[in-house]
Amino acid sequence: GAVVSQHPSWVICKSGTSVKIECRSLDFQATTMFWYRQFPKQSLMLMATSNEGSKATYEQGVEKDKFLINHASLTLSTLTVTSAHPEDSSFYICSQSGDSYNEQFFGPGTRLTVL
Amino acid sequence: DQQVKQNSPSLSVQEGRISILNCDYTNSMFDYFLWYKKYPAEGPTFLISISSIKDKNEDGRFTVFLNKSAKHLSLHIVPSQPGDSAVYFCAANGAGSYQLTFGKGTKLSVIP
Repeated sequence: GAVVSQHPSWVICKSGTSVKIECRSLDFQATTMFWYRQFPKQSLMLMATSNEGSKATYEQGVEKDKFLINHASLTLSTLTVTSAHPEDSSFYICSQSGDSYNEQFFGPGTRLTVL
Repeated sequence: DQQVKQNSPSLSVQEGRISILNCDYTNSMFDYFLWYKKYPAEGPTFLISISSIKDKNEDGRFTVFLNKSAKHLSLHIVPSQPGDSAVYFCAANGAGSYQLTFGKGTKLSVIP
């Protein structure tokens, strides 16, 4: 399967600051990438679908102005958590679609802790 | 409203025995089901999947069974190994859709 990397793997920041998380496809050009969030002992919740060269599609309840997604190239999508607050502390995971719509390859995730 | 449910948050099994992880879904539009394995602080890795036109798919020690009428699927691991200890997520998607809907996961512990 495709290899997806995320950077950073973990980040601690102060409340009110912004944090950018990068998701890179290392061996596959991904027109569609996904951003998930997972709180402890909860399922992965889809936040948004990111399409290369166009605006992201956000799931209901996800603030697009708070979670800025940019998918400027076929190998890179970024998620910026703006004005982060402690309740934004979570595990953020990206994935990319494969050849078929059933395939998704996940990155290793980014642990965000907002103090 | 959870469309994919994994009602057992945890399961302990002796090494060498069978592990059975269960998953129920409510959305009749789902036609493809996947199981992912996840270690702490890592992203999920794909394990096995099944299309709604089948009722069983087998890959080595892993077998997934689908009962469409009951909207239920299960993952069987036999024999279970300590390295299988992880959180297992059931996921589903509908025709032509990339979007996956995940269950909350079941933490499997295989005891040596």
